[in-house]
Amino acid sequence: RKEVEQDPGPFNVPEGATVAFNCTYSNSASQSFFWYRQDCRKEPKLLMSVYSSGNEDGRFTAQLNRASQYISLLIRDSKLSDSATYLCVVEQGGYSTLTFGKGTMLLVSP
Amino acid sequence: DADVTQTPRNRITKTGKRIMLECSQTKGHDRMYWYRQDPGLGLRLIYYSFDVKDINKGEISDGYSVSRQAQAKFSLSLESAIPNQTALYFCATSETGGPEAFFGQGTRLTVV
Repeated sequence: RKEVEQDPGPFNVPEGATVAFNCTYSNSASQSFFWYRQDCRKEPKLLMSVYSSGNEDGRFTAQLNRASQYISLLIRDSKLSDSATYLCVVEQGGYSTLTFGKGTMLLVSP
Repeated sequence: DADVTQTPRNRITKTGKRIMLECSQTKGHDRMYWYRQDPGLGLRLIYYSFDVKDINKGEISDGYSVSRQAQAKFSLSLESAIPNQTALYFCATSETGGPEAFFGQGTRLTVV
C-alpha cells in the first residue's frame, strides 16, 4: 500500500467553485502533515500545515483525522491562479523525512 | 537570488556517463535532501543528510551517491547514468525540527 494516497484528478472546476481534495496515509506514527502546491515544472512550495483541530488560511481549510488517517484540503471561491497540483505530504515519525503523495491536479477555468 | 540553488538546471547526457548535480543553500539549514520526480510517481526521496557527517539512503538510492561537502552544499552523483534515471531532480533543505522543506528550482536530466 502506498504510504500517502491522493486522487490524481484532474479536477476541472469553474471560477468561484468550492473544491475538496482528500488524502490518506498508512503510517499511524506519522507526526506532521502538510499541503504543498506545485505549479507546472516548478518546485513544490508549502501551502499550509495541517493540525488536528483543523486550520484555515483565507480561502483554504485543512483538516486532519488521525483516527481515520485522513487529510483534506478545501478551497473556496476558486481562482484561476489556484490551478496547480496539490501535494499531500506526511512527515514520517522517527525519521523526520517527508513522504509526498503523487498530487492532485486542479484546473480552474473562467 | 534563490535560497536553494541547483546546477545545472537542464542536462542531457549519454548512457554510461558520470554526472553530478549540485545543490547549494543560503538558508543555514542543517538538513538537505535529494528527490526525483517522475510523471505519475510523484516525488521520491533518494538521499538525505541531517548534518555534514550524516548521510542516509532514501526510498530509491540505487544507482546514486551523494556528498555533503559543507553545511551549505549537497551534491548528487549518477556514477553511470541510465535512461530510466531521466527525471526532474529536486534538492531541498529544512531546519532541524522544522516542518517546512524549501526546494530548489529543479534539474531536468535526460539520459539518452
